[in-house]
Amino acid sequence: SYDLSQPPSVSVSPGQTASIPCSGDKLGNKYACWYQQKPGQSPVLVIYQDTKRPSGIPERFSGSISGNTATLTISGTQAMDEADYYCQAWDSSTVVFGGGTKLTVL
Amino acid sequence: QVQLQESGPGLVKPSETLSLTCGVSGFSINSGYYWGWIRQPPGKGLQWIGSIDHSGSVYYNPSLRSRATMSVDTSKNQFSLKLTSVTAADTAVLYCAREVGSGITRYFDYWGQGALVTVSS
Repeated sequence: SYDLSQPPSVSVSPGQTASIPCSGDKLGNKYACWYQQKPGQSPVLVIYQDTKRPSGIPERFSGSISGNTATLTISGTQAMDEADYYCQAWDSSTVVFGGGTKLTVL
Repeated sequence: QVQLQESGPGLVKPSETLSLTCGVSGFSINSGYYWGWIRQPPGKGLQWIGSIDHSGSVYYNPSLRSRATMSVDTSKNQFSLKLTSVTAADTAVLYCAREVGSGITRYFDYWGQGALVTVSS
């Protein structure tokens, strides 16, 4: 089965840049997307097709892909960005989620 | 505005069948896309269960294929999930969502609020 790996946690100071990596075999040949989930809420799509941002998502959220690693970057991180973030890809007719990364804004 | 709403029993006994329905408003299931179920055990990550389209074409997570059955009712604009032989490990918040994309790009752009299903006697 296909796996996507994320670090369990990432910390960032307010106003700084947060980077959350997601790695998977040949991920560069697929498309990754990212979801933000705050406690008690449903996931929200923040990036799709590696780099695209849905309408309504702040410009400080961006995505990139290099080799087998997709990265979600939050520039000028705000306290409201503290949440769990999940990457997701599609492989062999299967939707796969990463294990999730808890972003703490200190 | 597309809205999804899960409904069904919040408590299921071990070895019995979990049944949930997702009602869709603001968009006709017949218009296209796939429609998926995703679950999240308490304090854990997201796990995709399966997805179905308006014609009933369906694909499942291989790890759950033997126990999961999805169906669609276009006349009611809703789709459903049944998961058989449940155990405590199936306790989770279940989300329904609209799946967008084709080929190698698939993602979920609209999600329901989630329904907690507890497996306990």
